[in-house]
Amino acid sequence: GESVGLHLPTLSVQEGDNSIINCAYSNSASDYFIWYKQESGKGPQFIIDIRSNMDKRQGQRVTVLLNKTVKHLSLQIAATQPGDSAVYFCAEKEDNNNDMRFGAGTRLTVKP
Amino acid sequence: DTAVSQTPKYLVTQMGNDKSIKCEQNLGHDTMYWYKQDSKKFLKIMFSYNNKELIINETVPNRFSPKSPDKAHLNLHINSLELGDSAVYFCASSQVGDYEQYFGPGTRLTVT
Repeated sequence: GESVGLHLPTLSVQEGDNSIINCAYSNSASDYFIWYKQESGKGPQFIIDIRSNMDKRQGQRVTVLLNKTVKHLSLQIAATQPGDSAVYFCAEKEDNNNDMRFGAGTRLTVKP
Repeated sequence: DTAVSQTPKYLVTQMGNDKSIKCEQNLGHDTMYWYKQDSKKFLKIMFSYNNKELIINETVPNRFSPKSPDKAHLNLHINSLELGDSAVYFCASSQVGDYEQYFGPGTRLTVT
């Protein structure tokens, strides 16, 4: 079946550096993509989303890029802080389907 | 003030037992979900309810049954627990027309 996956299971960065977390998806019919952050012992928390008719969206310190040609999604975190250490999930869904499919997750570790 | 709450946070039980996990949301959302997260952090949707109607039922054993007494609650009942049921279970909710899902803190189920 279709799936959402991640290129890198772990990512370690120095505090202050920029982080890039990548995600590959295979469902070309996906209309909506979302990034979640999950801190240890907590539930996933919404970070930023993007619709399939966009290729870039910016939030506070975060940017999501969507490349539909190669079915690739990335999350960029500027000036990464220790509080950014968590597992990050990409997820995708179609407008006519209530099923939100999550990728495997990438663990981001920020070194002081 | 908690938007989505779950009880208990930890549940340790023996094989063959029946247990329930409770979920409540005070956001006024129309749709609630149950997810299972395995030891590798993979999140998989199990059920969703919209206005007391089951929308999604993934390939989940019929030992699992969601029960929604009202729009603010979606409890998960599990019969005849098996070792493979050990995981973290997350409840989530969303508003119709809004794809962002709000997650609870999770319930770590351990079957011995």
